[in-house]
Amino acid sequence: ETGVTQSPTHLIKTRGQQVTLRCSSQSGHNTVSWYQQALGQGPQFIFQYYREEENGRGNFPPRFSGLQFPNYSSELNVNALELDDSALYLCASSLDVSGATDTQYFGPGTRLTVL
Amino acid sequence: GNSVTQMEGPVTLSEEAFLTINCTYTATGYPSLFWYVQYPGEGLQLLLKATKADDKGSNKGFEATYRKETTSFHLEKGSVQVSDSAVYFCALSGSGGSNYKLTFGKGTLLTVNP
Repeated sequence: ETGVTQSPTHLIKTRGQQVTLRCSSQSGHNTVSWYQQALGQGPQFIFQYYREEENGRGNFPPRFSGLQFPNYSSELNVNALELDDSALYLCASSLDVSGATDTQYFGPGTRLTVL
Repeated sequence: GNSVTQMEGPVTLSEEAFLTINCTYTATGYPSLFWYVQYPGEGLQLLLKATKADDKGSNKGFEATYRKETTSFHLEKGSVQVSDSAVYFCALSGSGGSNYKLTFGKGTLLTVNP
């Protein structure tokens, strides 16, 4: 069983640009969630995808969007980057969306710096 | 809405000392509770979880008991090691119709000195 992987590890962008972050979930996991972790803070929920459909969304603007693919990979896209978007972006996969008890398995994250 | 409050860090201990990191929560219904650990430069790893009141989660010498009456889920370890140095996050899920997301505390940095 492979773990959750993310790419790239680090990324530097300038304000106003667009960025795509990628995640590969554990095999068989139908659910992927994305979180933003600012420096010194706990992760904040961005959104979740279940079987390629958005299943829930946190308090983030529409310029944060996502996609989930049938091969257990997913993307987080951020348009019109702002300085405050600088953070560690984490994806997490879980078996199913049905149970709150399901464990979410996190990837190592992508460190995004916006200049 | 849901929220998690952790004791402020940083916490600095000597090896073999006793560890407690306090965590309290605000939520409707019956959330599941988790402790995650983040080692330097890495993502989050699940340390332990409890899914109903009075359950005790345990792993690698760490324990936490789900106390509904005090809305708490304090993390304890009897004898810490240098390798336990990390940031610890308390989190909850499954409350108020938001089964799909984890709500985290701000994290507590633990440093264990030899």
